[in-house]
Amino acid sequence: DVKVTQSSRYLVKRTGEKVFLECVQDMDHENMFWYRQDPGLGLRLIYFSYDVKMKEKGDIPEGYSVSREKKERFSLILESASTNQTSMYLCASSFSGYSNQPQHFGDGTRLSIL
Amino acid sequence: TQLLEQSPQFLSIQEGENLTVYCNSSSVFSSLQWYRQEPGEGPVLLVTVVTGGEVKKLKRLTFQFGDARKDSSLHITAAQPGDTGLYLCAGGASGGSYIPTFGRGTSLIVHP
Repeated sequence: DVKVTQSSRYLVKRTGEKVFLECVQDMDHENMFWYRQDPGLGLRLIYFSYDVKMKEKGDIPEGYSVSREKKERFSLILESASTNQTSMYLCASSFSGYSNQPQHFGDGTRLSIL
Repeated sequence: TQLLEQSPQFLSIQEGENLTVYCNSSSVFSSLQWYRQEPGEGPVLLVTVVTGGEVKKLKRLTFQFGDARKDSSLHITAAQPGDTGLYLCAGGASGGSYIPTFGRGTSLIVHP
């Protein structure tokens, strides 16, 4: 089975801190994604990557950056955390090609910014 | 921008009842996936449908893709408390994009 592992289930940080969320997948997937999930708003795509060192902005990239130095690892960085970034963050991966490839999700990181 | 509208947004039912969740769009999708997300976990794929009119069954769950590939439904027969969760539909765009479009989800609670 595909395993997508997010480094933390719960994280509490302070306003202005630089925050790193890590995601690792073990199935050699080309595509990796970061979403945030908020009640009533569904999943919103922050960034995605289709190859090592490649990244593309999603729908809500402001305040975030990403890093993909190795194929299996995709990191989300909150440059200067703000309270409106309190959310559930989900990482996903998939094979490349067409979008009928399913996405495999991690269990999420619930981030609170105080 | 492609949009997927899910309805209802919330559903609270008793064990043993039947229910249907809908996923609708004005756009054509090359495929459609249904995921279930249990509290505190990430979404897990239930099924992918790719052909207009396709029906797939997964135990008590029946998934249907509309003939025009613009809509889908999920029917649960004799719901059980273990079916509780957030049900998400996700559409794959025509043209080969690998970024799915997610609906906002239907939150289902099944009471024992």
